[in-house]
Amino acid sequence: DAGVIQSPRHEVTEMGQEVTLRCKPISGHDYLFWYRQTMMRGLELLIYFNNNVPIDDSGMPEDRFSAKMPNASFSTLKIQPSEPRDSAVYFCASGLGGRPQHFGDGTRLSIL
Amino acid sequence: QKEVEQDPGPLSVPEGAIVSLNCTYSNSAFQYFMWYRQYSRKGPELLMYTYSSGNKEDGRFTAQVDKSSKYISLFIRDSQPSDSATYLCAMSEGSGTYKYIFGTGTRLKVLA
Repeated sequence: DAGVIQSPRHEVTEMGQEVTLRCKPISGHDYLFWYRQTMMRGLELLIYFNNNVPIDDSGMPEDRFSAKMPNASFSTLKIQPSEPRDSAVYFCASGLGGRPQHFGDGTRLSIL
Repeated sequence: QKEVEQDPGPLSVPEGAIVSLNCTYSNSAFQYFMWYRQYSRKGPELLMYTYSSGNKEDGRFTAQVDKSSKYISLFIRDSQPSDSATYLCAMSEGSGTYKYIFGTGTRLKVLA
């Protein structure tokens, strides 16, 4: 298996623009997690899905953030409008039985 | 006070040494504990998963949980330069929630 695939790997955009991050989980995994990693706060859970249904979105910082999982093989995290404080590395992870077992290599997001 | 505390390091050891990495936590309801290894510019990689108290061994790695002290450890035997990475602990209450709280990580350097 190719593992969890995230795109793009890097994104640089200006404040106010819409940003869409994409994730393809490992086939057969029933959980998908979105995390954000910064030097100051470490890894923080934003939202997780079970069988494509959002279960806990309490970590989503504001209404500017939204996530969808239209099918078992694809998820998006959208930020609209983006702000400089959203700059971070965003990770997607998938797993079985509730564990974030496999992480992608992340999207490095810079908002200017 | 953070829910999960981890010394950021860096921790430098000579090749072949036994490494001890630790996390403390404040939430006595945590039952599921995990250790990840993260190389620079890569996603975290799951190393060990334990439930409740006790020890678990996998190759050169041993995970230890002491719930009475709210303290978990990861031991690495016969450390290698390839073990140089950041090590993250993560924990969850379980019981229907899979919101894993991560430590900020300890940087380990194994010197050849």
